[in-house]
Amino acid sequence: DIVMTQTPLSSPVTLGQPASISCRSSQSLVHSDGNTYLSWLQQRPGQPPRLLIYKISNRFPGVPDRFSGSGAGTFFTLKISRVEAEDVGVYYCVQGTQFPATSYTFGQGTKLEIK
Amino acid sequence: EVQLVQSGAEVKKPGESLKISCKGSGYSFTTNWIGWVRQMPGKGLEWMGIIWPGDSDTRYSPSFQGQVTISADKSISTAYLQWSSLKASDTAMYYCVRTGGAELYFDYWGPGTLVTVSS
Repeated sequence: DIVMTQTPLSSPVTLGQPASISCRSSQSLVHSDGNTYLSWLQQRPGQPPRLLIYKISNRFPGVPDRFSGSGAGTFFTLKISRVEAEDVGVYYCVQGTQFPATSYTFGQGTKLEIK
Repeated sequence: EVQLVQSGAEVKKPGESLKISCKGSGYSFTTNWIGWVRQMPGKGLEWMGIIWPGDSDTRYSPSFQGQVTISADKSISTAYLQWSSLKASDTAMYYCVRTGGAELYFDYWGPGTLVTVSS
């Protein structure tokens, strides 16, 4: 299976300041159909995860534009331009490129907290 | 509006069987994969498996193959996750998830079903 490695695992940030989370995959996430199935999820405390970004850089409807995704191949980044209090939670990257040959795999999660 | 409604919390004893459910609404149930994700207390997310309700094509993570059974009843737009003999280590939150059609990402998540296994 592809291994997804996130850094940092914890990120204390100041309100109004930017934040960045990285995700590296052990193999290229480019699918045979030309898409790269790397997405980002947010899990607020006590809530189920929700989709923020899909296929590297596409914001899901309703996601604020302060969230952006970038990257290619094996290295991807989620950026928050100005952190707000409601952004506190755990962020996960997840790949689907290897399905159905093998599994979907998640990163370990990055905990975003306010300084 | 797409919704995934999951069955309520369960408390079971080791060795008991269990089947939890996830009912989809607001979209065509047969043209999206429905999967299950485990989150053990204080831990991250683990993909368990997935089913295409249109033809019941089912795939499992190797970690969960043989440990659980995923099924679906398309006549009532409901997917299921079941265990034949629960263990204490099955204590976790279980989320059902939908993919964006045939695309390989999880666009909608259910609220979760908390399963507690304790003697």
